[in-house]
Amino acid sequence: EPEVTQTPSHQVTQMGQEVILRCVPISNHLYFYWYRQILGQKVEFLVSFYNNEISEKSEIFDDQFSVERPDGSNFTLKIRSTKLEDSAMYFCASNMGQNNEQFFGPGTRLTVL
Amino acid sequence: GENVEQHPSTLSVQEGDSAVIKCTYSDSASNYFPWYKQELGKRPQLIIDIRSNVGEKKDQRIAVTLNKTAKHFSLHITETQPEDSAVYFCAASISGNTGKLIFGQGTTLQVKP
Repeated sequence: EPEVTQTPSHQVTQMGQEVILRCVPISNHLYFYWYRQILGQKVEFLVSFYNNEISEKSEIFDDQFSVERPDGSNFTLKIRSTKLEDSAMYFCASNMGQNNEQFFGPGTRLTVL
Repeated sequence: GENVEQHPSTLSVQEGDSAVIKCTYSDSASNYFPWYKQELGKRPQLIIDIRSNVGEKKDQRIAVTLNKTAKHFSLHITETQPEDSAVYFCAASISGNTGKLIFGQGTTLQVKP
């Protein structure tokens, strides 16, 4: 069964550094999402992406964040200058249509020191 | 803004008993309501979902009910087993929108053998 994959599984970085989190959505999916989950808290929406552009972003997704689909398979989340409060698990998700099941990747645990 | 409230935050039941988790949503335009199960350190996985044109849906030991007037929906697990122990998240989404999911705070279900 196809799955969403994410790399790396764990990323440790220093405050102020740039990080790029990578995702490979399921191949025939059209809608892509990033969510984050601070330890012990709920999953929070960051951004949705369709037809090569952002369709919606949350208040969390400020100018430090950007997303890109550089080729036909990868979907990346970049944090330009990480802060301590960016430490969280970041999940990528994808689906065929806006209200179809969203399939989540295994997550990248980001630790900002 | 959009909000989903989930109760209880923790739930402990004996194996074989039923478990009920309740969610309320704020945006009356919401019409897609998935439930995700998240085991420790793993990705959220869809266990059941319901759309606003039905009031109830069942899949073996799991059922979801939806009350659009009251803007709440519930997850029912019957004959609970130890492997049902996990964190359960409800979510809401608006059809025709970007597909973003707004999650509840999560319920930690412990099924004691």
